[in-house]
Amino acid sequence: DTAVSQTPKYLVTQMGNDKSIKCEQNLGHDTMYWYKQDSKKFLKIMFSYNNKELIINETVPNRFSPKSPDKAHLNLHINSLELGDSAVYFCASSHQTGGYGYTFGSGTRLTVV
Amino acid sequence: AQSVTQLGSHVSVSEGALVLLRCNYSSSVPPYLFWYVQYPNQGLQLLLKYTSAATLVKGINGFEAEFKKSETSFHLTKPSAHMSDAAEYFCAVSDLGNTDKLIFGTGTRLQVFP
Repeated sequence: DTAVSQTPKYLVTQMGNDKSIKCEQNLGHDTMYWYKQDSKKFLKIMFSYNNKELIINETVPNRFSPKSPDKAHLNLHINSLELGDSAVYFCASSHQTGGYGYTFGSGTRLTVV
Repeated sequence: AQSVTQLGSHVSVSEGALVLLRCNYSSSVPPYLFWYVQYPNQGLQLLLKYTSAATLVKGINGFEAEFKKSETSFHLTKPSAHMSDAAEYFCAVSDLGNTDKLIFGTGTRLQVFP
């Protein structure tokens, strides 16, 4: 009964490959997010969806494409992976108003070799 | 744009000592403010939040934070540290004009010594 679940937890892949990370929330939240945490623990928002609609798209390479089939799911597809994409990617969700804060998934550690 | 500053990337305390983790935000308009904790190899867990109600906010695990508008601060405290409090702590602020977007500080690693 995990609130925000991400798969896979670990992902090791070679440069140039394409990979996807999946996220699902069972909290009934309206908004879902992808954050990237770099090796220095810095967290930066990448994307946000509200009821399947893209509302935040930060300066992220076009190789990153989010997809939200419904408001409970937000997947992240990455094309042509680069070494610099190595990081921990966190999915999160919140109520629409934002003042409630986020519920985070446990993260996906992506290592590009 | 909104920003948040956490002073001190590392804080070390003895078990039983006071914990004080500092956070300052940039906006003159009181935002929503949050503290999150991240244990090794885990996601972030919400400790507490300020949403313009009481200025002293109590959270989980004995932590609390006080919103001080005059100082634009939202420091996190705990009277007596436990070994289990060792973790990374993040202060976050809602962005101006888009309160769904949270902007995180750079984090403070708390070490607790026996």
